[in-house]
Amino acid sequence: EAQVTQNPRYLITVTGKKLTVTCSQNMNHEYMSWYRQDPGLGLRQIYYSMNVEVTDKGDVPEGYKVSRKEKRNFPLILESPSPNQTSLYFCASSSVTPGRNYGYTFGSGTRLTVV
Amino acid sequence: SQQGEEDPQALSIQEGENATMNCSYKTSINNLQWYRQNSGRGLVHLILIRSNEREKHSGRLRVTLDTSKKSSSLLITASRAADTASYFCATDPTSGTYKYIFGTGTRLKVLA
Repeated sequence: EAQVTQNPRYLITVTGKKLTVTCSQNMNHEYMSWYRQDPGLGLRQIYYSMNVEVTDKGDVPEGYKVSRKEKRNFPLILESPSPNQTSLYFCASSSVTPGRNYGYTFGSGTRLTVV
Repeated sequence: SQQGEEDPQALSIQEGENATMNCSYKTSINNLQWYRQNSGRGLVHLILIRSNEREKHSGRLRVTLDTSKKSSSLLITASRAADTASYFCATDPTSGTYKYIFGTGTRLKVLA
């Protein structure tokens, strides 16, 4: 089944303790992206990647890191989490074509609480 | 503000009625997409309409796009309780990046 898999689904952590949220897709998609979703703010893009070793900042990249060493994986790293990073996080992937006629496939989300 | 702004923010209708949601955006786009999100779950892609298309159908969904007004509408006909969800539009700007921009969504509640 074509899917984007995020882990963990839920995570409670303490301020300053480094964490990684994993994301993997099995559709051979070139493009992957991370979003955070907060009430009243919709989805805001954190980082995206056009292909292996190619990443770029989205609208709210501060406090986050990403890497794209393999095509299928795009982990999100919080080096020193803070309470304002408490949010619902989504990983998404898409095929990239000249016509750009494909939408995203989203993961199920990671609900992160930083105390 | 967000590129995509949905209107209304919330909508409550009876089962069997039609639901219409609107999306406005600010810049030129390659395409516009609509997604559905059930409470706290991942978004599901519903339909994509390209900038050179004016209307598109998929099952009970009808999407229109007016690039001159920079707006789109999503119509769900004969709504069902299972359609209860939040609906988001997302735009793919022509700026050359793949930075899809999502709006804040319309919360639809269909009453049985």
